[in-house]
Amino acid sequence: AQTVTQSQPEMSVQEAETVTLSCTYDTSESDYYLFWYKQPPSRQMILVIRQEAYKQQNATENRFSVNFQKAAKSFSLKISDSQLGDAAMYFCADGGSQGNLIFGKGTKLSVKP
Amino acid sequence: KAGVTQTPRYLIKTRGQQVTLSCSPISGHRSVSWYQQTPGQGLQFLFEYFSETQRNKGNFPGRFSGRQFSNSRSEMNVSTLELGDSALYLCASSLQGYFTEAFFGQGTRLTVV
Repeated sequence: AQTVTQSQPEMSVQEAETVTLSCTYDTSESDYYLFWYKQPPSRQMILVIRQEAYKQQNATENRFSVNFQKAAKSFSLKISDSQLGDAAMYFCADGGSQGNLIFGKGTKLSVKP
Repeated sequence: KAGVTQTPRYLIKTRGQQVTLSCSPISGHRSVSWYQQTPGQGLQFLFEYFSETQRNKGNFPGRFSGRQFSNSRSEMNVSTLELGDSALYLCASSLQGYFTEAFFGQGTRLTVV
């Protein structure tokens, strides 16, 4: 069965600093996408970044970037220049051919002013 | 472009009752997925509909059912409610389901008393 593991239940970062959230996944599929979603207190899940497994280049979206290590099945999220608005739950997710997302348990990120 | 709309936002029901939740996807999106989010189990996949057909189903009892209409709007129904059904129910729409990112609604918070 596909699984996604986020080993850090909580993380904290100082405003303007950089933080990295970890994620490992286990899939038997050859073609899949990986995602990071952010869930603020409003509860709406917001897509942060996505990575196609067939692409070697790491995805980047403004202050957000990933370190995708396919052989190690690792997919970490780096947030640079952290802002107070980045405080939220972050979920790593694996999307394959079955049409559904497999989510990790999430990492709660706090940003200190 | 309007986002994913879920109604109602909040719901309180009594054990044994049934409930229907609604989801209107982003215009042009044909895939609608439903997820249950609880503090203990995290985000769990319920089912996915594409062009009015259920393509994939998670590991939930038969009390949980859904359907999709020709305009891609979807409903999910939970019969004979149990206390453990209290959760945030999230709907996600995407163009084709797999290999494309999902956009989430704000969720319906269901409380069973």
